[in-house]
Amino acid sequence: QKEVEQDPGPLSVPEGAIVSLNCTYSNSAFQYFMWYRQYSRKGPELLMYTYSSGNKEDGRFTAQVDKSSKYISLFIRDSQPSDSATYLCAMSLPRGSSGDKLTFGTGTRLAVRP
Amino acid sequence: DADVTQTPRNRITKTGKRIMLECSQTKGHDRMYWYRQDPGLGLRLIYYSFDVKDINKGEISDGYSVSRQAQAKFSLSLESAIPNQTALYFCATRGLSTEAFFGQGTRLTVV
Repeated sequence: QKEVEQDPGPLSVPEGAIVSLNCTYSNSAFQYFMWYRQYSRKGPELLMYTYSSGNKEDGRFTAQVDKSSKYISLFIRDSQPSDSATYLCAMSLPRGSSGDKLTFGTGTRLAVRP
Repeated sequence: DADVTQTPRNRITKTGKRIMLECSQTKGHDRMYWYRQDPGLGLRLIYYSFDVKDINKGEISDGYSVSRQAQAKFSLSLESAIPNQTALYFCATRGLSTEAFFGQGTRLTVV
């Protein structure tokens, strides 16, 4: 079993839709939870990060972490064609822990239709 | 100039050849990473380094080696390239924050 599971999609939605992207994980020691966005032929870029449980909102994007269920989500409101990309969840242990590295999901490819 | 620069951006090489991928960063970060990305498999960690004297294997280090020549430079070598090493390779850096910064990637094809 992979440490981080993510549905690869592809996910196709009409412009203006609410998008929900999800990941599950098995390592309860993960403390930092991130979402990266990767456009075609580009490197991933950090979109949002959350420490431990809770919600975080940034414009049209909301990140949620439920540590009790080992489940994280990214919601995109009023989706735009420019949101079409691959979204990767990533997680890491507390800083300074052995193995201070990011563990990624496989990524979900999202297409927003005009 | 990009904060994390990878060279080359594209490379085609033959089976059995030795090849080096280079990464340099201007962010002053101590932590550097090499990942490969394959369709359906996501980003998998090959090697990572916390400083010049600290090199660690990732989940898929077989067939690869690395060198941390300076804080700003981290190279990945394929000693004898094989076709299943065809992939997109990313270098990343990470400082005190949780955010990792990625290079633009190197598309490697082994024929």
